[in-house]
Amino acid sequence: DTGVSQDPRHKITKRGQNVTFRCDPISEHNRLYWYRQTLGQGPEFLTYFQNEAQLEKSRLLSDRFSAERPKGSFSTLEIQRTEQGDSAMYLCASSKRQGVNTEAFFGQGTRLTVV
Amino acid sequence: AQKVTQAQTEISVVEKEDVTLDCVYETRDTTYYLFWYKQPPSGELVFLIRRNSFDEQNEISGRYSWNFQKSTSSFNFTITASQVVDSAVYFCALSEDSNDYKLSFGAGTTVTVRA
Repeated sequence: DTGVSQDPRHKITKRGQNVTFRCDPISEHNRLYWYRQTLGQGPEFLTYFQNEAQLEKSRLLSDRFSAERPKGSFSTLEIQRTEQGDSAMYLCASSKRQGVNTEAFFGQGTRLTVV
Repeated sequence: AQKVTQAQTEISVVEKEDVTLDCVYETRDTTYYLFWYKQPPSGELVFLIRRNSFDEQNEISGRYSWNFQKSTSSFNFTITASQVVDSAVYFCALSEDSNDYKLSFGAGTTVTVRA
C-alpha cells in the first residue's frame, strides 16, 4: 500500500493545449475523487467514481474537463484547450467504500501551470 | 454562498505557544459532517478529524483538540504546545452528504511555528 499516486507531479503547458493527469488510487479502493485547488484556496470538488461508474460530473468546471476510470482502477482527468485560469493543483483521493465514516486518502496532486 | 469560513489567513507563533484556528460553517441540513485536514508543503491532505452534527462532545488527541459548537456553527481547532513540524496549511471542511467525500473546504489557515 503505497498511497494515492498522481502523475505527473508538475505540468507546464501552453494555452490551448490538451493535458491529461493520472491518478492511481490505493489498491481495492472503490471510490475515487477529483478536486481542484487554486492558489490560496481550499480544494474544490470536481467529480467522483464508484469503480468505473462516474457518479457525478455536474461540478466539472466546463465541458473542457472530462474524467474517466475505465477499468475501475486508475483514473484520468483531461483538460482540453487549456486556459490560464486552469492553472491549479489537481488532487485525487480514494476511499475503500462509500460513506464519510471511512477515511479518504489524498494524493500529492498534479500542479498545472498554463503559460 | 461560502459554506465554510476560515477567517484567519495566516497565524505565526513561537514554538510551545498554543494556537487556535477558527472555522465557521453554514448549512441548512440537520445531518452533516465536519473535518479538519493538514496540508504540509508536500501537498497531500492529511486527515485529522471527522465529527458528525449529532456529536457535540469536544475531542482531544494528543496536542490537538477540537471545540464543536452547533449554536454558533463553529468547529475550532487548537494545537497545544506547538512545534515546528506543525507548520502547514490547515483546512476545515463540511460534508452535507454522508455517502461521499464531496467536501466543501474553507480557504485554509497557514500556520507558521518559529523555533
